[in-house]
Amino acid sequence: GAGVSQSPRYKVAKRGQDVALRCDPISGHVSLFWYQQALGQGPEFLTYFQNEAQLDKSGLPSDRFFAERPEGSVSTLKIQRTQQEDSAVYLCASSLGLAGPRSYNEQFFGPGTRLTVL
Amino acid sequence: RKEVEQDPGPFNVPEGATVAFNCTYSNSASQSFFWYRQDCRKEPKLLMSVYSSGNEDGRFTAQLNRASQYISLLIRDSKLSDSATYLCVVTNFGNEKLTFGTGTRLTIIP
Repeated sequence: GAGVSQSPRYKVAKRGQDVALRCDPISGHVSLFWYQQALGQGPEFLTYFQNEAQLDKSGLPSDRFFAERPEGSVSTLKIQRTQQEDSAVYLCASSLGLAGPRSYNEQFFGPGTRLTVL
Repeated sequence: RKEVEQDPGPFNVPEGATVAFNCTYSNSASQSFFWYRQDCRKEPKLLMSVYSSGNEDGRFTAQLNRASQYISLLIRDSKLSDSATYLCVVTNFGNEKLTFGTGTRLTIIP
């Protein structure tokens, strides 16, 4: 398809279970972002890739969170030993990349994965 | 204090009314400013960028005041289809990551 796709769309996990969330960015998009959106809040930045390089992971809440983009296209966000506070919508976005020092390329968001940890 | 602050609402306004949202940001180095729209259980989508000179797109007008670190969005002649959450968003120099406000929920009443 033409847009960003994410799978699964919904995931229910038992506390302590590991989960893996997948993002397929728009073809040719260099930059890929993961955001976490809790109920009633705006999305919060987790991590950022430029091609296969993870340039910023400052938003990952703990070492239980890990993201990769090994071939510079598809990305996976993995959460180990899930906790109830991990319940949120995980949004992936992609863009053409940094346009220049004072420019911006629009980020296009996928539909998100709604994670519920019981 | 959050980097981007918005009144969460909800704002319930009658169809045809004019509604204004405000947003403040704390980082004076913030470079780019946007309004995103998010429908219930959907992903955020870019509504419009915000410039110091002000910009208009149909019924929507956005304004940036760098001195006061304040961003606004005005919706005129509101339609039922304008019902959504409006997210104020900033980026910082040399950094693509988006910093979102909490969002302001708008419901247009027939």
